[in-house]
Amino acid sequence: GESVGLHLPTLSVQEGDNSIINCAYSNSASDYFIWYKQESGKGPQFIIDIRSNMDKRQGQRVTVLLNKTVKHLSLQIAATQPGDSAVYFCAEKNQAGTALIFGKGTTLSVSS
Amino acid sequence: DADVTQTPRNRITKTGKRIMLECSQTKGHDRMYWYRQDPGLGLRLIYYSFDVKDINKGEISDGYSVSRQAQAKFSLSLESAIPNQTALYFCATSARVTGELFFGEGSRLTVL
Repeated sequence: GESVGLHLPTLSVQEGDNSIINCAYSNSASDYFIWYKQESGKGPQFIIDIRSNMDKRQGQRVTVLLNKTVKHLSLQIAATQPGDSAVYFCAEKNQAGTALIFGKGTTLSVSS
Repeated sequence: DADVTQTPRNRITKTGKRIMLECSQTKGHDRMYWYRQDPGLGLRLIYYSFDVKDINKGEISDGYSVSRQAQAKFSLSLESAIPNQTALYFCATSARVTGELFFGEGSRLTVL
């Protein structure tokens, strides 16, 4: 069945470190992937997306890497700050290509 | 005002009761979605709609129904609520499937 998973449910880093959040996806036909951040008590917010014709895309302090060979997606956060503490979700298209399905999420905790 | 508004934000009900969660949006998007969030399970797609005449089942539609009353309104109903439907429910909109989802703040439902 369709599933989008993350390798680790929790990740703890020190302020200033770089963080890497991983995601394994199952739909090899998905041509679109997206990362969301959810802070406590709020709805998920868009971070960055990438299409399957790209291997890497950079935003402000964030980079998404896509490895289609092993169906792996990662989100790199540079110089992690306490405000980056949140749950991070990856998402891919469903098999029908009509909607996005999400992974289980990774909780990032940043200590000062 | 929020672009995607969900009501109620919190609801406690009893087993067997009918519950409706409402969602309205000012984004002007055709696509609307309902997701359910449970701890450790991420976001799971319940139903989605591409326009007022289009309704599609998601990953976990059993026990739920939806109504797309207008382009801006999409409601989720639990005809006979059961305790395992206790969860945080999110409405979202998008302009297209390969693009950012805009989420509401969530509706927390507790079924006793």
